[in-house]
Order: sequence, then structure tokens, then C-alpha cells
Amino acid sequence: GEDVEQSLFLSVREGDSSVINCTYTDSSSTYLYWYKQEPGAGLQLLTYIFSNMDMKQDQRLTVLLNKKDKHLSLRIADTQTGDSAIYFCAERSSNTGKLIFGQGTTLQVKP
Amino acid sequence: GAGVSQSPSNKVTEKGKDVELRCDPISGHTALYWYRQSLGQGLEFLIYFQGNSAPDKSGLPSDRFSAERTGGSVSTLTIQRTQQEDSAVYLCASSLVGGASYNEQFFGPGTRLTVL
Repeated sequence: GEDVEQSLFLSVREGDSSVINCTYTDSSSTYLYWYKQEPGAGLQLLTYIFSNMDMKQDQRLTVLLNKKDKHLSLRIADTQTGDSAIYFCAERSSNTGKLIFGQGTTLQVKP
Repeated sequence: GAGVSQSPSNKVTEKGKDVELRCDPISGHTALYWYRQSLGQGLEFLIYFQGNSAPDKSGLPSDRFSAERTGGSVSTLTIQRTQQEDSAVYLCASSLVGGASYNEQFFGPGTRLTVL
């Protein structure tokens, strides 16, 4: 079946790098996503990676995909207090396009 | 242009009552999704509409839940005989099309449902 797992909490100091990890089970997923949810706000798409890519970089964000191990990570360089939020990893069902989300990782950035 | 809108933003109801939640997708988007975000279950898929095709209802948790999409646009999620475990934030998303190709899903702000 489809399942996505994430660690629940990460705390870093401002200026450090944050790495949020995710594992998924559906090897047929074509796209994998990272969404950000700030308190009281909706889900915001941060970035995505196509399944035939190993890495994608977008400004301070780096996504790494290990398809063999079904492991996805999001690295945020120079983490700022404004990055404090819940980060959701999601895989896209190849049939319908529905998203299967992980539980979300709460990122706490200490000044 | 306008994003996905949902109404009401908050709904408080008594156990056993029926509720209707509304989603207005982005104009021209043929795919519409409902998700639920609750403390115990995280973010879970409920139902998917694509154009005039039969909806994918595989995520609906019980037969008290139903959804319609009229005219390929507005969607209504109905929960009958609400229970306390239905308390959650109900999120709607739309995309140009569904399926395997990349099409970003744009999320609405959600409806927070509280069942007393």
C-alpha cells in the first residue's frame, strides 16, 4: 500500500542547515513533493522532484531523492526563524494524482 | 486570479447534525480533491473528481461522508450525523488535470469543523 513516513520534530539554530527526511513506499510515484504549513495558514507547495531525478536545487532548498531506498530529503540552507513551520512530504499517486502525505515534521528554529 | 476558496472557514456543530462544506476551485481546473487534516490521522485523502468521470471515493472514511461536484466546478462535501471524531480541518485542492502528469494542486484555506 501507499505510506509516507517522516520524523515528527526537528530543532535547529538560526543560520544552521536543516535536513528533513522522508520515506515512501509506492515505487510507481512519479512526483514527490514538499509542502510547508505555517500556523493558521494553508498548505504551500515548496518544491517537487520528478522521480527520474536525484537532486533538485531551488535557492536555499535542496531536494535529494534516493529512489532505490525510497528516501527523500529536504535541506534548507541558512535556516531562518521564518522557516519555522510544519513540513509535509507527499507522494503523488500515479493513477489519480491524489497526494499521500507524511505526518509532517515540525521545524523549530531557535534564534 | 482567485485561488481555491472554501466556506465556511469555521463550523461548530452538535453531534448528530449534518454539515455541508463548500469548495470553489480555481476556474478552469478540472481536477478537485478533498483532504482532511486531523490530530490523530494527519493529512489524508478523501475523494477526487476529474471532469465528468466517476469520482474516486476510496478515501471516504464512512458512508456518512459524501461529496458532489456540480457542473464540473463547485464541490460540496456532506457529513451526515456528525461524530466527534469528524472534527478536523477539511482541505480542498484543485489542479488543471489529475492523473500521473505533473499538475500542481492548489489548496484552499480549509474549513475547521468542530463537533461538540
